Amino acid sequence: QKEVEQNSGPLSVPEGAIASLNCTYSDRGSQSFFWYRQYSGKSPELIMSIYSNGDKEDGRFTAQLNKASQYVSLLIRDSQPSDSATYLCAVRSGRDDKIIFGKGTRLHILP
Amino acid sequence: DVKVTQSSRYLVKRTGEKVFLECVQDMDHENMFWYRQDPGLGLRLIYFSYDVKMKEKGDIPEGYSVSREKKERFSLILESASTNQTSMYLCASSFLQGGVDTQYFGPGTRLTVL
Repeated sequence: QKEVEQNSGPLSVPEGAIASLNCTYSDRGSQSFFWYRQYSGKSPELIMSIYSNGDKEDGRFTAQLNKASQYVSLLIRDSQPSDSATYLCAVRSGRDDKIIFGKGTRLHILP
Repeated sequence: DVKVTQSSRYLVKRTGEKVFLECVQDMDHENMFWYRQDPGLGLRLIYFSYDVKMKEKGDIPEGYSVSREKKERFSLILESASTNQTSMYLCASSFLQGGVDTQYFGPGTRLTVL
């Protein structure tokens, strides 16, 4: 089983709609979870981190964490063309503290 | 703002050459990391360091070495470059804040080995 799994996409969402990105992880002892955005040809940029069950909001972004079901999601409200990018989920392993990255979901916002 | 810089954005080298990739961070972070990123394979950890002169192998250390002589600088060395080392190389640094260690990335170096 892969440690951090994401649907590779592309996920196409109309401008102004809500984009929902999902990530599942296998290590039940994981405590820290991160979402990075990566534009084509650029490096990953941290946009959200979450540590506790529930929702965490920052502007148009909401991260949701459900440890019992071992998934973390990212919602982007009022999607803009500038949100078109690859979104990487990252999880800090409870075994050895290493951060493990998913392969990313490509998001395409349709104007 | 956290600033992580890498010595080159683009680099072209020949097979067999020794290649140095430099990474510098200006935020006094203890931890530094080198990844490579390839289409379909995602980010893969090559080496990391939690302190000066300390290094640990990541998931794919073969063909690479690292050096950390100063806290702010972490160098990745390709002893004898090969074509399968053509990739995007990303450096990251991190610090512990509120009990959580968060990684910040440099701009990346796209290395082509001919």
